[in-house]
Amino acid sequence: AQSVTQPDIHITVSEGASLELRCNYSYGATPYLFWYVQSPGQGLQLLLKYFSGDTLVQGIKGFEAEFKRSQSSFNLRKPSVHWSDAAEYFCAVGRDDKIIFGKGTRLHILP
Amino acid sequence: NAGVTQTPKFRVLKTGQSMTLLCAQDMNHEYMYWYRQDPGMGLRLIHYSVGEGTTAKGEVPDGYNVSRLKKQNFLLGLESAAPSQTSVYFCASTVNTGELFFGEGSRLTVL
Repeated sequence: AQSVTQPDIHITVSEGASLELRCNYSYGATPYLFWYVQSPGQGLQLLLKYFSGDTLVQGIKGFEAEFKRSQSSFNLRKPSVHWSDAAEYFCAVGRDDKIIFGKGTRLHILP
Repeated sequence: NAGVTQTPKFRVLKTGQSMTLLCAQDMNHEYMYWYRQDPGMGLRLIHYSVGEGTTAKGEVPDGYNVSRLKKQNFLLGLESAAPSQTSVYFCASTVNTGELFFGEGSRLTVL
């Protein structure tokens, strides 16, 4: 069955530290790949997307993600987090007209 | 430019009552989606539509019906509400399984 897995429910990092959020998918072919962020009580905002081409994708707010076909992964990274990055992050995949989300990773930032 | 508008934003129902959530988009998007968001579960796809007059089931369609009579509108109906349908509902639209544009959400409580 098609699925999107975000293995980490919660992640805590110190402000200024680097960040990596994991996302794995299970699809027959490479889907479209997305990362969204949701701040408390807010809607979802697109951070970045991958359709094809360069496997390292740059997004907004200093985020980037790398598509690894061999690992069916699309991990989100940021070199140095800011307190304002505290939010919930969702990986999503698009295939066959559907867009399916992972369960999310909540990011906590220590001052 | 309103984008994606959901009405109502809040609703309280009693078990067994029916209601309809309206999603309207003014971006001429072909694809529209209804999701529900529950703590720890991410966004789960209820139903989606790839164009006027078309609908399809998503991950969790039971207990819901949808209609897309006009391209700009996507209605989500609950015929007999149950407490398990207490959730925040998000509508989204896109050109072609690309970036999703979300409404602000509709918080539904079923007593």
